[in-house]
Amino acid sequence: AQSVSQHNHHVILSEAASLELGCNYSYGGTVNLFWYVQYPGQHLQLLLKYFSGDPLVKGIKGFEAEFIKSKFSFNLRKPSVQWSDTAEYFCAVSPSYNTDKLIFGTGTRLQVFP
Amino acid sequence: KAGVTQTPRYLIKTRGQQVTLSCSPISGHRSVSWYQQTPGQGLQFLFEYFSETQRNKGNFPGRFSGRQFSNSRSEMNVSTLELGDSALYLCASTGVTGRSSYEQYFGPGTRLTVT
Repeated sequence: AQSVSQHNHHVILSEAASLELGCNYSYGGTVNLFWYVQYPGQHLQLLLKYFSGDPLVKGIKGFEAEFIKSKFSFNLRKPSVQWSDTAEYFCAVSPSYNTDKLIFGTGTRLQVFP
Repeated sequence: KAGVTQTPRYLIKTRGQQVTLSCSPISGHRSVSWYQQTPGQGLQFLFEYFSETQRNKGNFPGRFSGRQFSNSRSEMNVSTLELGDSALYLCASTGVTGRSSYEQYFGPGTRLTVT
């Protein structure tokens, strides 16, 4: 069965600090990978996605993620966080043949202090 | 384009009752997926509909059901409510073609509280 692990449940950073959120998945086939963000009181929004090609993916708001196939990982990074990045971040995976069924990780709550 | 809309936004029900939640996808999107979000279990996939047919199903009991209408609007129904069904129910729509075909756009959710 597919599963997604996000090992950091709660991360606290000061503004301008660098961010890396871990995501590992378990699935034997080809996958599509996603990072979603949920700002307080707002909808889930797509930050970035990987389908194929360059394993380094750039998303909105300065976020990027790197797909490392050998490690089954898709870690999210941002070189310098802002207070407005305070939110919950979800990693998700779908089999490449079935993009409509997303399996989500449990989420990482990020708090950024000025 | 209007986003995904869900009604009602909040709902309080009693154990044993049933509930119906509604979702209107983004215009032109034909696939609708439903997820349950709880603090303990996170986001879990319920089911997905495309052209009025259920294409995918998660690991939820038969008390959870859904349907999709010809205009792509979808409803999900939970019968014989249990306390553990208290959750945020999210609906997402996916475009069939074009750039949006591999992105799910989420609605604001319906917050269901079972007492």
